[in-house]
Amino acid sequence: DVKVTQSSRYLVKRTGEKVFLECVQDMDHENMFWYRQDPGLGLRLIYFSYDVKMKEKGDIPEGYSVSREKKERFSLILESASTNQTSMYLCASSPPWYTQYFGPGTRLTVL
Amino acid sequence: KNEVEQSPQNLTAQEGEFITINCSYSVGISALHWLQQHPGGGIVSLFMLSSGKKKHGRLIATINIQEKHSSLHITASHPRDSAVYICAVTTNSGGSNYKLTFGKGTLLTVNP
Repeated sequence: DVKVTQSSRYLVKRTGEKVFLECVQDMDHENMFWYRQDPGLGLRLIYFSYDVKMKEKGDIPEGYSVSREKKERFSLILESASTNQTSMYLCASSPPWYTQYFGPGTRLTVL
Repeated sequence: KNEVEQSPQNLTAQEGEFITINCSYSVGISALHWLQQHPGGGIVSLFMLSSGKKKHGRLIATINIQEKHSSLHITASHPRDSAVYICAVTTNSGGSNYKLTFGKGTLLTVNP
């Protein structure tokens, strides 16, 4: 079974803090994704990566950065957390042209 | 820009009923996905299809490429089917082949 794990299920941070969300997949997938999910807005793509050290902006990259130093690991970084970044963050991975496998999500609250 | 519209937004059914959730999209696609998300849970892929029909247990997904429309059917619904069902498409309009565009989801509640 494909497994996508995320470093935390719940996270509470203060405004201005630097936040790291980590995602690890165990199936050697080329593609990895970070989404945020908000009520009424659905899933929105923040960044994705199609290879080690390669990344592309998604639909809402502002305020976020990413890092992919190893194929299995994709990190989302909030340089200076703000309250409007309170959300559910979901990581996914996939081989090319195939369905995506999602992690369990991290519910981030920024106070 | 591709838009993905789902209907209905909310659906309540009695156990045993036949359920249909609809999805329409606005541009050409390479594939359409149906995903399921239980409350507080992660997202699971149910189907990926580019033509015709697929069946898995009590779930059936169909797609009509000409009409840019897909349906997800659940036969003999059960309370454990209660979840948010999300339609997503991979577009073939140049650029990356990996990106999905998502509908806002349909919240299904099946009462015993």
